[in-house]
Amino acid sequence: NAGVTQTPKFQVLKTGQSMTLQCAQDMNHEYMSWYRQDPGMGLRLIHYSVGAGITDQGEVPNGYNVSRSTTEDFPLRLLSAAPSQTSVYFCASSYSTGTGGGYTFGSGTRLTVV
Amino acid sequence: DAKTTQPTSMDCAEGRAANLPCNHSTISGNEYVYWYRQIHSQGPQYIIHGLKNNETNEMASLIITEDRKSSTLILPHATLRDTAVYYCIVRGRAGNMLTFGGGTRLMVKP
Repeated sequence: NAGVTQTPKFQVLKTGQSMTLQCAQDMNHEYMSWYRQDPGMGLRLIHYSVGAGITDQGEVPNGYNVSRSTTEDFPLRLLSAAPSQTSVYFCASSYSTGTGGGYTFGSGTRLTVV
Repeated sequence: DAKTTQPTSMDCAEGRAANLPCNHSTISGNEYVYWYRQIHSQGPQYIIHGLKNNETNEMASLIITEDRKSSTLILPHATLRDTAVYYCIVRGRAGNMLTFGGGTRLMVKP
């Protein structure tokens, strides 16, 4: 049971490049989400999914796309990287029902856009 | 989801109890209080959650006031490894996305 796995752990992009941040979970969680954390700040929600085939925007969705073709995977795509997207990106997953169990977070992807 | 207010920072001596307060005066009846912590630059870690009764697990205790407008997270014997940012989050039904505020930066000192 690996929990939430994010790849890569570190990435440097040039302005204008595109890339995909990978997120996979093996806990059969219905809910998955992406957050970004800028230095010294709290986490902000980018996109989230409540199940396969269903996605929605969070607080800061501009410049990012997501898809959820399987329960396990929730990739985040940067369409045209900008220096403002330099941040640490966290993926998280959770069950959708029950008494409200906690989200499990990945270890993060540290992205620098130059 | 209701907004929360936490002190920006707190210190605690190693081995002593750390009591972290949180105000959530606009909480509604079906909203839970969650606590997470983030150690250095790692992903946030779930600690505990509760609705209206006090809760305890292997990591911490959660005390919720009778009117549910505030709560306190208690780390009974803080260690240096408990130095982290602690987030108090009020969340509606299970699965709702988390809204992070600034949290409390707890520094455990020897």
